[in-house]
Amino acid sequence: EIVLTQSPGTLSLSPGERATLSCRASQSVDSTYLAWYQQKPGQTPSLLIYGASSRATGIPDRFSGSGSGTDFTLTISRLEPEDSAMYFCQQCGTPPYTFGQGTKLEI
Amino acid sequence: EVQLVESGGGLVKPGGSLKLSCAASGFPFNIAWMNWVRQAPGKGLEWVGRIKSEVDDGTAVYPAPVRGRFIVSRDDSKNMVYLQMDSLTTEDTAVYYCVADWKHAGSFDSWGQGTLVTVSS
Repeated sequence: EIVLTQSPGTLSLSPGERATLSCRASQSVDSTYLAWYQQKPGQTPSLLIYGASSRATGIPDRFSGSGSGTDFTLTISRLEPEDSAMYFCQQCGTPPYTFGQGTKLEI
Repeated sequence: EVQLVESGGGLVKPGGSLKLSCAASGFPFNIAWMNWVRQAPGKGLEWVGRIKSEVDDGTAVYPAPVRGRFIVSRDDSKNMVYLQMDSLTTEDTAVYYCVADWKHAGSFDSWGQGTLVTVSS
């Protein structure tokens, strides 16, 4: 099983700042199958980034993904209050599909 | 508009069974790989099973914690996917999401609103 470890657990930043969220895999992940999801309080998770770096439909270009192998990053530039949420990385290339434990972003 | 609507959640006693349903619309269901993901109260996301499209052989796969107890099935004539859950324990208490991979871009494209399953005596 591929274990995904996200850091930090919680990130507190101010509007306009830049957030950098990390996702580290216990073994190499095909970038094609590395995704990021956003879950706002009381809401369903929604797809942000797929293929490690491609933005899902309707996602603003403030959100960007990068990385390969075992190290992946979600960067959110010019933070806005509505970016407050939990962010999860996921690999869905090798069953069992796994999620990171999440990073809570507080703005 | 893509819609995934789960139903069938509720309160069940330990050792009991429950069957969840998910009605899909707004995307080509027959080529979608369908998943179930759960989230225990205040916790993270856990994938609990996937069924491929019939054109991709229709097989299902499960993680260890639910293998042998949960079964994912689909009915393409009705655009429905199901999750049969047996031998439930309190550890299975969670919101269960029906999730579609229909763009086959290596991610879970669309999520339902979820249905709550509570296992308690």
